[in-house]
Amino acid sequence: QLQLQESGPGLVKPSETLSLTCTVSGGSISSSSYYWGWIRQPPGKGLEWIGNIYYSGSTYYNPSLKSRVTISVDTSKNQFSLKLSSVTAADTAVYYCGRSLAARIYDAFDIWGQGTMVTVSS
Amino acid sequence: EIVLTQSPATLSLSPGERATLSCRASQSISSYLAWYQQKPGQAPRLLIYDASNRATGIPARFSGSGSGTDFTLTISSLEPEDFAVYYCQQRSTWLTFGGGTKVEIK
Repeated sequence: QLQLQESGPGLVKPSETLSLTCTVSGGSISSSSYYWGWIRQPPGKGLEWIGNIYYSGSTYYNPSLKSRVTISVDTSKNQFSLKLSSVTAADTAVYYCGRSLAARIYDAFDIWGQGTMVTVSS
Repeated sequence: EIVLTQSPATLSLSPGERATLSCRASQSISSYLAWYQQKPGQAPRLLIYDASNRATGIPARFSGSGSGTDFTLTISSLEPEDFAVYYCQQRSTWLTFGGGTKVEIK
């Protein structure tokens, strides 16, 4: 069955750029039936949507993060990626990637990666 | 931004009891609401989408209702594995999540 796996550095310095990749296995990221997204969760807190991408490269971002976020897709590698620039301690969180339930820009996520903890600290 | 307010923050119940969780939206979101369950150290798990549709593999004891601004997740009879944190999420205007309700063992 479809699985998602996040990867990337667990420690990022303040003011630098956080970079993560989500690898999709057991299915194709090029399916026209889904969108793919990033969600984060600070320690002990709730969930925050970061942004979504379609296999064509169309992107949709949380307005509160839009100026710092770039999401891209590499269909040849069956991966999509997140870059978050100018990070601060407030960006410390578990970062999840997910798949939308259907081919809707904004949707529930029915499949999630296990999450990866990213700490922003010098 | 559409704000989702979940109540109560914590619900203390015993196995076998009925759990009723509330999610209120700051403006109408039609039926564009989902519910998730999250256990410690795990990713969220989709339970309900579009207010009342159970996701694949979700037991029938989980049900969702509501439309507009007021929504409810009901667990008809709590099983030991149901003690967790529950989040609601709207998709009417981009995506936002509620603050969560923790269902703990009394």
